[in-house]
Parts: sequence; C-alpha cells; structure tokens
Amino acid sequence: EVQLLESGGGLVQPGGSLRISCAASGFTFSSYAMSWVRQAPGKGLEWVSASGGGGSTYYADSVKGRFTISRDNSKNTLSLQMSSLRAEDTAVYYCAKNFASRSMGGSWGQGTLVTVSS
Amino acid sequence: QSVLTQPPSASGTPGQRVTISCSGSSSNIGSNTVNWYQQLPGTAPKPLIYSNNQRPSGVPDRFSGSKSGTSASLAISGLQSEDEADFYCAAWDDSLSGYVFGTGTKVTVL
Repeated sequence: EVQLLESGGGLVQPGGSLRISCAASGFTFSSYAMSWVRQAPGKGLEWVSASGGGGSTYYADSVKGRFTISRDNSKNTLSLQMSSLRAEDTAVYYCAKNFASRSMGGSWGQGTLVTVSS
Repeated sequence: QSVLTQPPSASGTPGQRVTISCSGSSSNIGSNTVNWYQQLPGTAPKPLIYSNNQRPSGVPDRFSGSKSGTSASLAISGLQSEDEADFYCAAWDDSLSGYVFGTGTKVTVL
C-alpha cells in the first residue's frame, strides 16, 4: 500500500525559511515523479513543484527562485525547501505521487500546514 | 493561478446524472492527458480519473471521464449523497512546463 507522510509544517515569519518533507513507502520511490501541491485556506488546489525520477525539477512561477525541491531516493524522501516566505504561501502542502509521466496525483499524503505570519 | 476553467458549482438530486466541464488550451488539455480528483471537506484530494477516462482501483464506475480537443468532462451517474465534494481537473502544460489545475467545482446533492 502506498503511503505518503508529510512533516515539517509550522508557523514561520514573513521572509523566513522552512523545510517540509514527505516520507514515501509501498512503491519503488526512485521510479516515480513526485509533486508538491498546496491549498490555501478556502481556496483551490495549486501545483507547486515536481521532481522527476531522473532528477529533473519543475516549479510554478509563483515559487520559482524561492523554493527548491529535492529527493533522496536512498531514503525514499521528498523535500521542499522554502525561503523568502510570504503570507500568500500559507497553505496546506500535499505530497503526491505520479500515475505515470506527466500524470500526477495517483496517491496523496494527508498534508502539512505552513502558516506564514508575524 | 488556475489555467483550466470549471463551473464553480453543480447540483442534482439522488440518482441523477451530473456533468462537470474543464476547459483548457492546446498547450495543456489539447496535448496531454487529464486527471480528475475528488476532495471531501477537510481531507486530501482523492484520484478519481486518470489518462482522461481511466478509473483507479476502487473508484465506482458511476464516475467517468472524457476528453475532446481542449476540453474534458467528468460525469457522475446515479448521484449519491456521499458524492458531495469539490472536484478538480488537472493536466500538464507544455508552455508552462508544469501542471495546471482547474478552478474547482463544488457538487451539491439536493
């Protein structure tokens, strides 16, 4: 059974940094692209970043230059380093496993809440 | 920023058929497959349809997906009370080199 468990969320001041992680199990992690998707309070889903199985990375324009996605295939872990955080980055961040190439969201974690506020 | 357009709401009585549209462009739906997700209140999204019309294991066949050109649709037949949720479409966008989501549709069972 695929399991994705996010951690690391919390309260951070504007301009600050935070690293969230996703521990994956139940599948061959290195063979799948993974994504981070966020949802601001009361809003819709927004794709944030993706990491391909081969190491390629992609970012939404809203976070490019501020967020860095990484993965450790030896530890089955996906991470998102977030810096220069803004109030509008406040959201629940979900980790998601691809179905296949360019087809995201086959499995989702429960999410971790990041709040950017002074 | 959502690039795919969905109606904000849809509704029906139990047993009815409800259809949700998802409108995009040649760089996303027009050249890539579409997935659909169901999000119940306070929970993580659940995959409902992938590759335009495929159901993951465990998803009832009341849910079906289709795609034509730069638009896609999700149909729910035999609507049930437990289908009340938000529904989102998504696709890869070749111009943005990233995924785009739909604006979301809230389905209400009357």
